[in-house]
Amino acid sequence: DTAVSQTPKYLVTQMGNDKSIKCEQNLGHDTMYWYKQDSKKFLKIMFSYNNKELIINETVPNRFSPKSPDKAHLNLHINSLELGDSAVYFCASSPLAGGVETQYFGPGTRLLVL
Amino acid sequence: QQPVQSPQAVILREGEDAVINCSSSKALYSVHWYRQKHGEAPVFLMILLKGGEQKGHEKISASFNEKKQQSSLYLTASQLSYSGTYFCGTRTNSGAGSYQLTFGKGTKLSVIP
Repeated sequence: DTAVSQTPKYLVTQMGNDKSIKCEQNLGHDTMYWYKQDSKKFLKIMFSYNNKELIINETVPNRFSPKSPDKAHLNLHINSLELGDSAVYFCASSPLAGGVETQYFGPGTRLLVL
Repeated sequence: QQPVQSPQAVILREGEDAVINCSSSKALYSVHWYRQKHGEAPVFLMILLKGGEQKGHEKISASFNEKKQQSSLYLTASQLSYSGTYFCGTRTNSGAGSYQLTFGKGTKLSVIP
């Protein structure tokens, strides 16, 4: 069974489109994250939710909107996609918030904006 | 505040040892170490929370200095499977109960036969 799953795995789209990436974890964890990894492999946290509540909201364009319908799911919606949004987006989960426990990463969604 | 990792890249022959460092100008609440292979997700190696702590996992171990501003990852008797990019992830407290989670830029480790 996959612990943290993301869909889709690959996403190719045109500038200006709106797209969503879904994430689900079956580990029973309370905390979920979205990370962006750019072409230089720099890993940057975007958002974190704990029990469906937003607890980390880094400086990202407001075109990015996370949504957590329940604590097992954290989706990422991106409006008006730009070339610079091309990256790999990783979802992760951990038992608790606070950066004191292991984070389990999903396989990543490779987004390419043309 | 992003931690500084060094070296940026290292090439080892099988059986050789390596040390990867992760430094911060501020005291860290915690340090995580991850390994990421090409095209895959980062995989957790270990977490350190206490100053002076040392932890090991087979031939890979890590330390956290007393001031909690530096952590080192030690890879001994390297194997081909150790190849990948190693990241340290850190938590720093920003005051009023808030904190930041940031990753270093990574160290690319290549183990050759």
